Amino acid sequence: DVQLVESGGGLVQPGGSLRLSCVASGFTFSNFAMNWVRQAPGKGLEWVSTIRNSGGTTYSADSVKGRFTISRDNSENTLYLQMNDLRGEDTAVYYCAKTFGGGGYCSIGGSCYSAFDIWGQGTMVTVSS
Amino acid sequence: DIQMTQSPSTLSAPVGDRVTITCRASQSINNYLAWYQQKPGKAPKLLIYKASTLETGVPSRFTGSGSGTEFTLTITAVQPDDFATYYCQQYNDYSWAFGQGTKLEIK
Repeated sequence: DVQLVESGGGLVQPGGSLRLSCVASGFTFSNFAMNWVRQAPGKGLEWVSTIRNSGGTTYSADSVKGRFTISRDNSENTLYLQMNDLRGEDTAVYYCAKTFGGGGYCSIGGSCYSAFDIWGQGTMVTVSS
Repeated sequence: DIQMTQSPSTLSAPVGDRVTITCRASQSINNYLAWYQQKPGKAPKLLIYKASTLETGVPSRFTGSGSGTEFTLTITAVQPDDFATYYCQQYNDYSWAFGQGTKLEIK
């Protein structure tokens, strides 16, 4: 079965740091761009960050740019989100999501981007003193 | 940044009704538009990608249409399992953004 399992969430004080992990199984992880999406309690979905299939090239929302870093280890089938200088507004469920293998476009370098077809169950991050 | 605006925010309908949700982009997105369904406490589920292509396994009562900056999700004959929150998402030109969501409630 194709599966994504997030971990690493928890309670952290404002200004603190946390690293989220997402372990993938059931598909060739290194073939797909990967993403983080978050959802504050009772609110809608917010795209956070995307990384190309081979790593290196990343894209992030303005709300987290300079504070959050997405990375991946294709040898371990794992996606990461390093979150620094956390604020109350970062409190949310964080989902990792796989990029769908069609219906999108590809860069000159060969990494393809599309909608998100497989999602993890989410991990809760609470920023509070 | 591309902004996505969904309407309505809430929609009440009886089982069997036809419902339509609209999503507008602040600029053209080359039909790189997806629709998701989310139920409480669960991760979103991909329904439609590239504006009108149904994801495998999604019932044919779900239809996506539109182009340019205006898109719609239509559910013909709403079923009890369809009551959920729906989000549009654009994924054009190395940027991603979701609409604010439409909650479909039972009338």
